[in-house]
Amino acid sequence: NAGVTQTPKFQVLKTGQSMTLQCAQDMNHEYMSWYRQDPGMGLRLIHYSVGAGITDQGEVPNGYNVSRSTTEDFPLRLLSAAPSQTSVYFCASRVSGRLSYEQYFGPGTRLTVT
Amino acid sequence: RKEVEQDPGPFNVPEGATVAFNCTYSNSASQSFFWYRQDCRKEPKLLMSVYSSGNEDGRFTAQLNRASQYISLLIRDSKLSDSATYLCVVNPPYSGGGADGLTFGKGTHLIIQP
Repeated sequence: NAGVTQTPKFQVLKTGQSMTLQCAQDMNHEYMSWYRQDPGMGLRLIHYSVGAGITDQGEVPNGYNVSRSTTEDFPLRLLSAAPSQTSVYFCASRVSGRLSYEQYFGPGTRLTVT
Repeated sequence: RKEVEQDPGPFNVPEGATVAFNCTYSNSASQSFFWYRQDCRKEPKLLMSVYSSGNEDGRFTAQLNRASQYISLLIRDSKLSDSATYLCVVNPPYSGGGADGLTFGKGTHLIIQP
């Protein structure tokens, strides 16, 4: 059971480049989300999905797109990378509808935009 | 007042000592409370949920004080391996933080010294 996986682990982009951060989970969780973590800022929600075909914006969605074509996958796309998007990105999943359930995080993607 | 506030620390504690830290939350209607642990450059992982009656898991005790709107984490007989950042997570309803409303504190950094 792999849990939540993310690729790549590290990435360096130049300003203006686009890329997709991959996230997959094998726990059949309905709810998936993307966070970014910056020093002194804590975890901030970018986008989330409550099931296949349904996505919505979180606290800091600008510059990012998501899609959810399957229950397992929830990729995050950076449209035109900016230095302000340098961060650690975590994907997470959990069973939907029960807030007492544990949220599982992937190992993170460390992104640097130069 | 920020939704979830934690003392960032660091708390420097000798091995074997007892350490406690609190987390305050602003929304009195908050429903669910958790402590997550995050090791350096790793993903957050659930340490324990916090129940109204308080709960204990080995050396760890979590308590909720609804009247004063804070949760606490107590670690007894601290080990070197307890060194980590401890994130307070609260679910305030209608917080705008996404469908699950989970709001993360910025974390308290704990260093256990030999």
